[in-house]
Amino acid sequence: EAGVAQSPRYKIIEKRQSVAFWCNPISGHATLYWYQQILGQGPKLLIQFQNNGVVDDSQLPKDRFSAERLKGVDSTLKIQPAKLEDSAVYLCASSPGQGWTNEKLFFGSGTQLSVL
Amino acid sequence: RKEVEQDPGPFNVPEGATVAFNCTYSNSASQSFFWYRQDCRKEPKLLMSVYSSGNEDGRFTAQLNRASQYISLLIRDSKLSDSATYLCVVNGGGKTSYDKVIFGPGTSLSVIP
Repeated sequence: EAGVAQSPRYKIIEKRQSVAFWCNPISGHATLYWYQQILGQGPKLLIQFQNNGVVDDSQLPKDRFSAERLKGVDSTLKIQPAKLEDSAVYLCASSPGQGWTNEKLFFGSGTQLSVL
Repeated sequence: RKEVEQDPGPFNVPEGATVAFNCTYSNSASQSFFWYRQDCRKEPKLLMSVYSSGNEDGRFTAQLNRASQYISLLIRDSKLSDSATYLCVVNGGGKTSYDKVIFGPGTSLSVIP
């Protein structure tokens, strides 16, 4: 079974530039998550989709971050403009989304972003 | 208060030692609890779910105390390969079943030869 695919694996940009990350969840998984993990910290949920609808985006800095999940499959996360404090690993995860709260999350390898 | 808190660590233990990690959560309505393991520069992976009755998987034992809103993970006979960051994860407690999944800050473990 194919896992969660993310790209790019690494990205280096200068502050105020824009960047986009892509995620392809496991086939058939209804729930998709974007997490931000700063070095030395646990993953912080940015946004959670159920199919193509947003379940939670309370911690997404909406002035600069945006995310979409077209047709309830692939998702993109964009930062515009980037700040130095956005340097982190951006993790995408998916789960079956059958409505159970005890679902396992499957993570992609993440995109490591460095903002200079 | 943070939603999920863990021992700050790091824990440095010799091979063969027993080590325990603690985690507390703030939302008393939370429904599901997990321990994830994250190796250096890798993504988190599920280690085990945590049930009210307690559960064991080989050298790993997880416990949940709902009254105290406390979760623990015990690792017996530590191996070098156990070196990683252990993340406490809490789910549910909101109005719908699709509640956000909250990760704790993690506790780092280094098992020393």
